[in-house]
Amino acid sequence: AQTVTQSQPEMSVQEAETVTLSCTYDTSESDYYLFWYKQPPSRQMILVIRQEAYKQQNATENRFSVNFQKAAKSFSLKISDSQLGDAAMYFCAYSRGAQKLVFGQGTRLTINP
Amino acid sequence: DSGVTQTPKHLITATGQRVTLRCSPRSGDLSVYWYQQSLDQGLQFLIQYYNGEERAKGNILERFSAQQFPDLHSELNLSSLELGDSALYFCASSSQPAGEDTQYFGPGTRLTVL
Repeated sequence: AQTVTQSQPEMSVQEAETVTLSCTYDTSESDYYLFWYKQPPSRQMILVIRQEAYKQQNATENRFSVNFQKAAKSFSLKISDSQLGDAAMYFCAYSRGAQKLVFGQGTRLTINP
Repeated sequence: DSGVTQTPKHLITATGQRVTLRCSPRSGDLSVYWYQQSLDQGLQFLIQYYNGEERAKGNILERFSAQQFPDLHSELNLSSLELGDSALYFCASSSQPAGEDTQYFGPGTRLTVL
């Protein structure tokens, strides 16, 4: 069974600094998709970024980028120029496509002003 | 706003009772997924429907059932409720039957069982 591990239960960063959240996963599949979702205090699950495993290029969405290392089964999220609104729980998730999401346990990110 | 709606936002009920959670997917999305988020179990997949048919089942208890109607909205029925069923229940929807398929989440229903 596929598993997703986020080894950092909590992280904190100064406003305007850069922070990297770690995620590793375990799968025997070659085609899959990886996601980062953000859950702010409102508890809404918001898609931050996604990565297709067949693409070598790392995905980027404005201040958010990923470092996808397929061989190492690693998928980290980098947040540049951190803002107070980035404070949230961040979940890494895996999917085979049009199938269930398997989530990590989450990383709580605090932004210090 | 993801375009996925869930009602009610909050539900407080007693042990042994039955409740129904409702989800309307984004316009055009045929797949609906249900997830449970509890403090001790994290986010767990419960069940998936695609165009009215059950497609996949996860860690869904026998006391729980779901269906997707012809208008594509879905309902999750929870019966004989126990204290441990207290959780946030999310519905997500997506459009593709296979391949790349991003799931968009509704705001969730917070269930409290007293």
